[in-house]
Amino acid sequence: GENVEQHPSTLSVQEGDSAVIKCTYSDSASNYFPWYKQELGKRPQLIIDIRSNVGEKKDQRIAVTLNKTAKHFSLHITETQPEDSAVYFCAGGNYGQNFVFGPGTRLSVLP
Amino acid sequence: GAGVSQSPSNKVTEKGKDVELRCDPISGHTALYWYRQSLGQGLEFLIYFQGNSAPDKSGLPSDRFSAERTGGSVSTLTIQRTQQEDSAVYLCASSLELDHEQYFGPGTRLTVT
Repeated sequence: GENVEQHPSTLSVQEGDSAVIKCTYSDSASNYFPWYKQELGKRPQLIIDIRSNVGEKKDQRIAVTLNKTAKHFSLHITETQPEDSAVYFCAGGNYGQNFVFGPGTRLSVLP
Repeated sequence: GAGVSQSPSNKVTEKGKDVELRCDPISGHTALYWYRQSLGQGLEFLIYFQGNSAPDKSGLPSDRFSAERTGGSVSTLTIQRTQQEDSAVYLCASSLELDHEQYFGPGTRLTVT
């Protein structure tokens, strides 16, 4: 089955700097990779996703890159703001199977 | 439109009692998932449904856990003879199809005393 690893487990950046979170997956058949943001005490919210036929996707300050050969994908947040502080989960999956989530990265944006 | 809803939002139960958690997915979503999130931990997959069928039950922590989905809509997660280690937030999510984005419900916080 799929196994998703995520690094780092914690990340602190200064406001305005960029943050990068990396995930690797094991199942080459996986074709869908979403990223979720979970603020303290709230439910996870989808912030961006990427499919295996796309190498990069961008939405304002957030971008995700996918390297299918190396089986890794990354979340990039530019110009970080205090409200970006949260736990971020990556996930991998494909049709007919469940998603597997990474263990999460706690991002702290310091003012 | 309405999102995923879960009930109850909070449940406190005594060790050894049975509990039933309910999830109402977004209308029209064929896939439904149950996850568990313990304090400070990540998301632990429990079970998913495609329609009313659950092809993979290997994520359920023990045989005290069971889940069903009827009519391709509402799902219930039942925990029998609850133990203190069952204390967690139980999250439900639904998606249009299995490889589509999952929308999470607010969760049920279960506390076993």
